[in-house]
Amino acid sequence: DAGITQSPRYKITETGRQVTLMCHQTWSHSYMFWYRQDLGHGLRLIYYSAAADITDKGEVPDGYVVSRSKTENFPLTLESATRSQTSVYFCASSEYTPTYEQYFGPGTRLTVT
Amino acid sequence: QQPVQSPQAVILREGEDAVINCSSSKALYSVHWYRQKHGEAPVFLMILLKGGEQKGHDKISASFNEKKQQSSLYLTASQLSYSGTYFCGTSDTGNQFYFGTGTSLTVIP
Repeated sequence: DAGITQSPRYKITETGRQVTLMCHQTWSHSYMFWYRQDLGHGLRLIYYSAAADITDKGEVPDGYVVSRSKTENFPLTLESATRSQTSVYFCASSEYTPTYEQYFGPGTRLTVT
Repeated sequence: QQPVQSPQAVILREGEDAVINCSSSKALYSVHWYRQKHGEAPVFLMILLKGGEQKGHDKISASFNEKKQQSSLYLTASQLSYSGTYFCGTSDTGNQFYFGTGTSLTVIP
């Protein structure tokens, strides 16, 4: 399917476990982003990537790791999950820079117990 | 540097107008507006790139005052389908992007 997809859509994990959220886009967009959405905070940028092998921190990067070996994939890893990382995670992509329209995936609801 | 949106919530009757404001403490290069329905992903509405630029489609329009570092979203003759949470997003000349905390808009019959 064309577009931007995320997997899994729902995930429950325990404190201290490693978990990876996947993001895949079929447009060959240069930029990809990871956001978390929490009540009262809106959407906050975790990491972004300008191209394959180029990543940079956003507003709230602590506790997260990203990689981008291929243009179409941008996985987000929580190395040791904490309850404060319970959130809805959105992946997004844009064609050139963050100044351009961002297309969002459907989101992953992550619960850390 | 998260932009501040106001109001936080608004309830309208069908046909009424609304204005949502977004202001930043930093100089802005662009302002985005998105709408998110409950349980769904945010959907792009429009981007304003130049100070003073105004855009619109249908009955939703926006303005960008670069000097005041503010943007406003105007919804006229609101429809039930306009309900949702509206987010502004701002970028400076770099790659950092910040969304506001959102404005919940409810349109009732």
